[in-house]
Amino acid sequence: GAGVSQSPRYKVAKRGQDVALRCDPISGHVSLFWYQQALGQGPEFLTYFQNEAQLDKSGLPSDRFFAERPEGSVSTLKIQRTQQEDSAVYLCASSLGLLAGGVSDTQYFGPGTRLTVL
Amino acid sequence: AQSVTQPDIHITVSEGASLELRCNYSYGATPYLFWYVQSPGQGLQLLLKYFSGDTLVQGIKGFEAEFKRSQSSFNLRKPSVHWSDAAEYFCAVVTAAGNKLTFGGGTRVLVKP
Repeated sequence: GAGVSQSPRYKVAKRGQDVALRCDPISGHVSLFWYQQALGQGPEFLTYFQNEAQLDKSGLPSDRFFAERPEGSVSTLKIQRTQQEDSAVYLCASSLGLLAGGVSDTQYFGPGTRLTVL
Repeated sequence: AQSVTQPDIHITVSEGASLELRCNYSYGATPYLFWYVQSPGQGLQLLLKYFSGDTLVQGIKGFEAEFKRSQSSFNLRKPSVHWSDAAEYFCAVVTAAGNKLTFGGGTRVLVKP
């Protein structure tokens, strides 16, 4: 079946511009995650949705970052007034939900959006 | 807070040779552990996971990993490496809250012909 898709795959923005990154999770997946991966590093958690509810946004680096998932499926990560330090690959992942004990089921990742801020 | 350490940033291995990638975690409770692989320009692909039970876990592409609680390790192994195994490998642990993954810094594997 179809995996997680993300668009655009590449985005170049001038410093100060707003950008919107889209994630289409696997159909039926309740949980959706955003991660930021800087060059040469492992991904770092940004935020987590269960259906349309944003349950954890502790990883968002500043109030310029905003994520939404209004209908519990597609999600958008928005970055306002982009800065050079925002340049990274933004990864989206989805999972079926939570296992017994509240642990997340396996997360499946999309190809990512590479954002370059000039 | 939990953390994951992958001590080796780069590893070069000859095709056909064995491969072992190290992963150490710091986590108070029972860990749920994962290995992902990332090829250039690609997203993360799950190789294998450990939730409970048998501490030797088999994954895709001929990989296996062994959970050793006493050493807080979850090392990844492959008996015979293929050129297509050249990629970056990430070890990760899921938090007690059950949602976000915490990743190590990754190990880049180069395969010599």
